Amino acid sequence: GAGVSQSPSNKVTEKGKDVELRCDPISGHTALYWYRQRLGQGLEFLIYFQGNSAPDKSGLPSDRFSAERTGESVSTLTIQRTQQEDSAVYLCASSLTGGEGYGYTFGSGTRLTVV
Amino acid sequence: AQSVAQPEDQVNVAEGNPLTVKCTYSVSGNPYLFWYVQYPNRGLQFLLKYITGDNLVKGSYGFEAEFNKSQTSFHLKKPSALVSDSALYFCAVREKYGGATNKLIFGTGTLLAVQP
Repeated sequence: GAGVSQSPSNKVTEKGKDVELRCDPISGHTALYWYRQRLGQGLEFLIYFQGNSAPDKSGLPSDRFSAERTGESVSTLTIQRTQQEDSAVYLCASSLTGGEGYGYTFGSGTRLTVV
Repeated sequence: AQSVAQPEDQVNVAEGNPLTVKCTYSVSGNPYLFWYVQYPNRGLQFLLKYITGDNLVKGSYGFEAEFNKSQTSFHLKKPSALVSDSALYFCAVREKYGGATNKLIFGTGTLLAVQP
């Protein structure tokens, strides 16, 4: 597609429920990233996929968080047993490759509210 | 480890005046440097990047940034601010030959408020 698409745009869930967030990267972009942005704060790296390499999961805050990506297409970020501190905007970005100086193209994000 | 510092949470400037949003970075090798802008309720948009070559980089909407290796800085500038420039600005860095460390590290953001 023309840009990075994320769904849903907004999600309200009850504490303890599982949620799944989806990201459709730009076609041909081999690198895909998930970031979290809490209210009034900067971007916190979560996970990075590059082609068929093992993902860099170093930013996942707990084992309740996981992400998958099939090939160079769609990625899903799953949060199990959601907590109120998980409330944030979850941003997905993709880039042409993981290297060189390519910047990212970001999606509009999924605003997650845990009540 | 890579890191980025944006020392000002907010910058206030009058319309028509020059603006500067500060950014300093730390990497063990040579950096790639980026500026992104986030308007309210919208995703981040790419403004400009420094990869190599001329230290003065020009980007979208009349913004520019100067790479200063000795001061490890990459300040964002614009000669004449517009009210429509009011937004949240993020500086980001990654190491040029980071191997497995290909992710961008973002600063905490600086809110630019341009008064009419």
